Amino acid sequence: EAQVTQNPRYLITVTGKKLTVTCSQNMNHEYMSWYRQDPGLGLRQIYYSMNVEVTDKGDVPEGYKVSRKEKRNFPLILESPSPNQTSLYFCASNRDGDYEQYFGPGTRLTVT
Amino acid sequence: AQSVTQLGSHVSVSEGALVLLRCNYSSSVPPYLFWYVQYPNQGLQLLLKYTSAATLVKGINGFEAEFKKSETSFHLTKPSAHMSDAAEYFCAVSDKSKAAGNKLTFGGGTRVLVKP
Repeated sequence: EAQVTQNPRYLITVTGKKLTVTCSQNMNHEYMSWYRQDPGLGLRQIYYSMNVEVTDKGDVPEGYKVSRKEKRNFPLILESPSPNQTSLYFCASNRDGDYEQYFGPGTRLTVT
Repeated sequence: AQSVTQLGSHVSVSEGALVLLRCNYSSSVPPYLFWYVQYPNQGLQLLLKYTSAATLVKGINGFEAEFKKSETSFHLTKPSAHMSDAAEYFCAVSDKSKAAGNKLTFGGGTRVLVKP
């Protein structure tokens, strides 16, 4: 089944404790993105990648890092989480030239 | 820069009544437009998309949307609401640019409540 997977689905952590949210897609898509969803704001892009070793900032990159060492994986790293990063996070992927994005199930992060 | 405005953060409809969700966009180039649905505790599922073919687009679960360039709108409708339509709906626009990784710009979302 073609899909985007994320882990964990739920995470509660404390301020300053480094964490990684994994994302993997099995559709051989070139493009991958991370979004965060906040009430009333919709989804906003954090980082994106156009292929292996090619990543760049989106609209709200502060406090986040990413890497793309393999085509299928695109982890999101919060080196020192803060409460304002409490949000619902989505990973998405799409094929080059196809603008429909496929979304993972989401990761709900709470930082206390 | 692109932007999307969804009028009404919450909409309440009776079962069997028309569902109308409004979306207006701004884009400097002819856009691609999307409606996504998010059921409780789930990810985003594509309802339908406009990619410059027919202006009236039919999607899944009986939804359709009409692209109106003159009004910069892409409103979503369903003739008869069902209880299972209770969800949050997001309108999104793509400027079809490879810059920003084919980023989608989303509206703020509209939560639909269906009353029996």
